[in-house]
Amino acid sequence: DTGVSQDPRHKITKRGQNVTFRCDPISEHNRLYWYRQTLGQGPEFLTYFQNEAQLEKSRLLSDRFSAERPKGSFSTLEIQRTEQGDSAMYLCASTDSSGNTIYFGEGSWLTVV
Amino acid sequence: EDQVTQSPEALRLQEGESSSLNCSYTVSGLRGLFWYRQDPGKGPEFLFTLYSAGEEKEKERLKATLTKKESFLHITAPKPEDSATYLCAVLHYGGATNKLIFGTGTLLAVQP
Repeated sequence: DTGVSQDPRHKITKRGQNVTFRCDPISEHNRLYWYRQTLGQGPEFLTYFQNEAQLEKSRLLSDRFSAERPKGSFSTLEIQRTEQGDSAMYLCASTDSSGNTIYFGEGSWLTVV
Repeated sequence: EDQVTQSPEALRLQEGESSSLNCSYTVSGLRGLFWYRQDPGKGPEFLFTLYSAGEEKEKERLKATLTKKESFLHITAPKPEDSATYLCAVLHYGGATNKLIFGTGTLLAVQP
């Protein structure tokens, strides 16, 4: 059990470019979440997967954001046509069916210049 | 609407000076209250999950307690390495939804 893994850890991109983040959850965790966190704030929910099904999306997730979890294993979060307001840390979390313990990854920092 | 409020926003303690952090919540049916520790630039580190009023959990110098409207994180004889942001979150669960709703955290600084 190596924990929740996220890649890349840091990404600097120019406004208008597309970026993709990857999350590898703890093995056998069927539930996966994406959150966004800005300085001084708590994480904000973006989307939730149970296995490969995306069951909930936040209003924060505009049409420029898309997330997938093919085969119910790793997940990707893509941001198209990035804007400066997208600069934040993107966090992935996973848990098993009990939901008793939700583990977060180290996050992927995005800076849009 | 589910809501989580943490206080104080920031707390400075001397090493060995015990204190408590507060997390008050409003949620339609509590399914779980989570505490996390977050170091600068890193993801939240899981500490505790509490489910019902009266429940308590301990880990080293930390003890979390839960009532029907709030939770406390008690820090006994803190050390400088306890300095971090402590986040509280409630699990919103129902139908297809299953997500943590976080407070803004308490930034704890423990001075030697």
